[in-house]
Amino acid sequence: AQSVTQLGSHVSVSEGALVLLRCNYSSSVPPYLFWYVQYPNQGLQLLLKYTTGATLVKGINGFEAEFKKSETSFHLTKPSAHMSDAYEYFCAVRPLSGSARQLTFGSGTQLTVLP
Amino acid sequence: DAGVIQSPRHEVTEMGQEVTLRCKPISGHNSLFWYRQTMMRGLELLIYFNNNVPIDDSGMPEDRFSAKMPNASFSTLKIQPSEPRDSAVYFCASSLSNGATYEQYFGPGTRLTVT
Repeated sequence: AQSVTQLGSHVSVSEGALVLLRCNYSSSVPPYLFWYVQYPNQGLQLLLKYTTGATLVKGINGFEAEFKKSETSFHLTKPSAHMSDAYEYFCAVRPLSGSARQLTFGSGTQLTVLP
Repeated sequence: DAGVIQSPRHEVTEMGQEVTLRCKPISGHNSLFWYRQTMMRGLELLIYFNNNVPIDDSGMPEDRFSAKMPNASFSTLKIQPSEPRDSAVYFCASSLSNGATYEQYFGPGTRLTVT
């Protein structure tokens, strides 16, 4: 069974500083990988995804993530944090093959941006 | 597209009452997922359907929970009888399982409070 670990349930950065949210997965075969953001009182919205090909993927709102197979990681980054980035972020994985269609989500990381 | 539609957005009920949550997936999507989100347990998959057929209901907490998908455009999650520990935000998500990435699109959720 696959699992997803998000290191740090809360991350604080200063406005303008680098954002780094960590995600590691456990799978013998690299899965599809996703980052979602949750806005207050709303569902999750897809930020970006990795399927195949280029390991550095760009998403909405200036976020990007890099798939590193050797480290089984898919960390989310943004060069310069804005106050408007202060939400909760979820990493998720889905098997690359097989019939299972469900995503496995990490426990989430709440991002706080300090003025 | 209107996105995934859930109703009601908020539900407050007394212990022992029946609760029915409703979901309309994105038109053309053939997979539907019900999740529950709590502070203690995070985001949990309850059940998912593919082509209106329940595929995996291993996440359904107990027999008090049931889900149906009578057609491609409608699903319900029912709790009978409800208990205070069922208080949570319930999300519905849909996806198009066409051999691609299976990314899921979430509805805004139903916040359930059982007193």
